[in-house]
Amino acid sequence: AQTVTQSQPEMSVQEAETVTLSCTYDTSESDYYLFWYKQPPSRQMILVIRQEAYKQQNATENRFSVNFQKAAKSFSLKISDSQLGDAAMYFCAYRSALGAGGTSYGKLTFGQGTILTVHP
Amino acid sequence: KAGVTQTPRYLIKTRGQQVTLSCSPISGHRSVSWYQQTPGQGLQFLFEYFSETQRNKGNFPGRFSGRQFSNSRSEMNVSTLELGDSALYLCASSLRPVATNEKLFFGSGTQLSVL
Repeated sequence: AQTVTQSQPEMSVQEAETVTLSCTYDTSESDYYLFWYKQPPSRQMILVIRQEAYKQQNATENRFSVNFQKAAKSFSLKISDSQLGDAAMYFCAYRSALGAGGTSYGKLTFGQGTILTVHP
Repeated sequence: KAGVTQTPRYLIKTRGQQVTLSCSPISGHRSVSWYQQTPGQGLQFLFEYFSETQRNKGNFPGRFSGRQFSNSRSEMNVSTLELGDSALYLCASSLRPVATNEKLFFGSGTQLSVL
């Protein structure tokens, strides 16, 4: 079974600064997807960024970028120019790719989350 | 377009009772997934429904069940509630099954408290 680990229960950053959230995962599969979700106080999970394992290029979405190290099974999220609205719980998640013979292609496996505080 | 709607937002029940939670997906979406979120166990997958059929099921006891109607709305039911069932229950919808790499859209959840 796949596992996802977020070793930082809490992180804080000053507004306009950069912060990196860590995520590692364990899998024997070769093809899969990795995600970062944001959960603000409204509780609604919002997709921040997605990475396909077969792509070597790191995904980027505006101020959000990832550092995907497949061999090290590491998937960190970098938030640049942090804004007050970035304050939330961030979850790293894994999903098997369909057809790759994985066992969890129809579901997301989440890490425990990292609470991000942004100071003005 | 309206987002994923979950009702009720909050629910208080006592041990031994049963509860039904509702999820209305985004219009046109045919897949609905359910997740349980607790401080101790984090987010765990319950099940996924697509076109009224259960496609995938997580590792939960038989007290947890669900169904999907022809209009894609889904309900999940928990019978004989236990204190440990207190959690935020999140629903997510997508156009096609999750396995096809569709983007998931989440609702704001139902917070269930079991006393």
